[in-house]
Amino acid sequence: GDSVTQTEGLVTLTEGLPVMLNCTYQTIYSNPFLFWYVQHLNESPRLLLKSFTDNKRTEHQGFHATLHKSSSSFHLQKSSAQLSDSALYYCALSDNTNTGKLTFGDGTVLTVKP
Amino acid sequence: EAAVTQSPRNKVAVTGGKVTLSCNQTNNHNNMYWYRQDTGHGLRLIHYSYGAGSTEKGDIPDGYKASRPSQENFSLILELATPSQTSVYFCASGWTGDSDYTFGSGTRLLVI
Repeated sequence: GDSVTQTEGLVTLTEGLPVMLNCTYQTIYSNPFLFWYVQHLNESPRLLLKSFTDNKRTEHQGFHATLHKSSSSFHLQKSSAQLSDSALYYCALSDNTNTGKLTFGDGTVLTVKP
Repeated sequence: EAAVTQSPRNKVAVTGGKVTLSCNQTNNHNNMYWYRQDTGHGLRLIHYSYGAGSTEKGDIPDGYKASRPSQENFSLILELATPSQTSVYFCASGWTGDSDYTFGSGTRLLVI
């Protein structure tokens, strides 16, 4: 079945430094949709950004990601971390069928320190 | 405003007891989902539904049942609750594969 791998369980950064959270996936489907969700403490997950277009950069709220089907990757990046970016980040994969099922990675906790 | 509402927000249950978690959505989405969230495991799909009257097994359905009596409502049922089912449960609604979910606020379940 589908799977999503987020290699870092915990990332700690100093404010102002760049952010990169890794995400790779496995699927049999040729046109998957990839998502990044963010969950702040005591809140529910909400969509940060999504993409289904190969090699096209997607941006939202200062974050960006590019889907690379050749390497099955969808890494999340930001040029300068802010304290408010501290949260749990999930990468997720949809097989783009009518089920709309999302397969989530295990998540990466990002902590940004002053 | 379209939303997904879960109840209860917190629940303490005894081992062997029956627990029902409820979810209501006003998004008019066809699809609804139940996930559980555990540290180190992310969000794992328990059951989902395409519409009223349908339920499908997700990746970890054992010990859980689901019911979708209407477009708006989707329940998760634990017939015989066990401590291993202690978790945070999220309901979500969505369209098809290219759409994102709207999540509810979650239900924190403790089985003692």
